[in-house]
Amino acid sequence: RKEVEQDPGPFNVPEGATVAFNCTYSNSASQSFFWYRQDCRKEPKLLMSVYSSGNEDGRFTAQLNRASQYISLLIRDSKLSDSATYLCVVNRKGNFNKFYFGSGTKLNVKP
Amino acid sequence: EADIYQTPRYLVIGTGKKITLECSQTMGHDKMYWYQQDPGMELHLIHYSYGVNSTEKGDLSSESTVSRIRTEHFPLTLESARPSHTSQYLCASSAERGAGNQPQHFGDGTRLSIL
Repeated sequence: RKEVEQDPGPFNVPEGATVAFNCTYSNSASQSFFWYRQDCRKEPKLLMSVYSSGNEDGRFTAQLNRASQYISLLIRDSKLSDSATYLCVVNRKGNFNKFYFGSGTKLNVKP
Repeated sequence: EADIYQTPRYLVIGTGKKITLECSQTMGHDKMYWYQQDPGMELHLIHYSYGVNSTEKGDLSSESTVSRIRTEHFPLTLESARPSHTSQYLCASSAERGAGNQPQHFGDGTRLSIL
């Protein structure tokens, strides 16, 4: 079983829509959680860290559910510029050196 | 904005050549990583280092080698390039905060094509 699993999509949504992605992780010892955004043929860029109490950054809201071992990302009022692949990333307690990446969820925001 | 630099951005070279991909960071991060990623595919960890003189192989077997003689520098070398090495190579670094890691920051990547 993969450490981190994501629905590959694509999610095709109109501008202004609200879209949510989920990501599940397999190891309960996972400690640090992040969402990255990757544009085509570019490097991943940190979108936001995910905190236990949930956190928000503008139109983006991240939630963590430790009991069910999943992380979510909610994007409100989608913009064309939000079109990208969103990567869920997990780091495990006691294994500080390695980050586990999901395969990514592709989002297409249409006019 | 993270300060991690990769050179070259693009490299097209013939089979059998020795190649070194450079990665440097100015943030004083202990941990550095190399990933390989083909277009539209997921990232694969090929090497990582948790400090000077430490290197470890990642999850994906790679014919490349790395070294970490200085904190800021983590070069990747291919002794004899082959077409199967054609890919994008991404370098990243991270610091440790308390009991966990801060997020990774990535360089722009090197797009390598072996003819």
